[in-house]
Amino acid sequence: EPEVTQTPSHQVTQMGQEVILRCVPISNHLYFYWYRQILGQKVEFLVSFYNNEISEKSEIFDDQFSVERPDGSNFTLKIRSTKLEDSAMYFCASDRGLAGGSDTQYFGPGTRLTVL
Amino acid sequence: AQKVTQAQTEISVVEKEDVTLDCVYETRDTTYYLFWYKQPPSGELVFLIRRNSFDEQNEISGRYSWNFQKSTSSFNFTITASQVVDSAVYFCALMGRAAGNKLTFGGGTRVLVKP
Repeated sequence: EPEVTQTPSHQVTQMGQEVILRCVPISNHLYFYWYRQILGQKVEFLVSFYNNEISEKSEIFDDQFSVERPDGSNFTLKIRSTKLEDSAMYFCASDRGLAGGSDTQYFGPGTRLTVL
Repeated sequence: AQKVTQAQTEISVVEKEDVTLDCVYETRDTTYYLFWYKQPPSGELVFLIRRNSFDEQNEISGRYSWNFQKSTSSFNFTITASQVVDSAVYFCALMGRAAGNKLTFGGGTRVLVKP
């Protein structure tokens, strides 16, 4: 069964450093997402991406964040200058992009980001 | 604005007992979609079930069943004959058609099934 994959599973970085989190969505999916979950809290939407551009973003997704689809399979989230409060689990998700935006999103296993 | 509330933060049961998880939602959309996801201790988010707002028929899928009540904006989820492997955090989520494709999650309910 096709699944969303994410690398690395755990990333440790120093405050102020740049990090890139990588995702490979399910191959025939067209809509891609990033969510984050601070430890013990709810899952929060960051950004959605369709047709090589951002479709929607939350207030969390400020200028420090960017997303890119560098090739036909990868989808990346970059944090330019990490802060302590960026420590969280980051989930990538994808769906088929059905008309009306009603499809089920399937999630990857997550990348745990620890900022020291 | 969309909002999902899961009032139960933690439920503890003994194996084979039934577990019902409550979910109440708010949305201004007339068409919306409701989901349950499971997050086991390993951390991934696993899709379980989905319901469309225009279909209030309740269903059973194996040991899972759900009760969608539009009149009370509730979407409750039941695990029948719980097993230790059901121990996880369960999230209810909402996607409003006019609000874009983003999922709004509730705070989650931790279920602990003891042998």
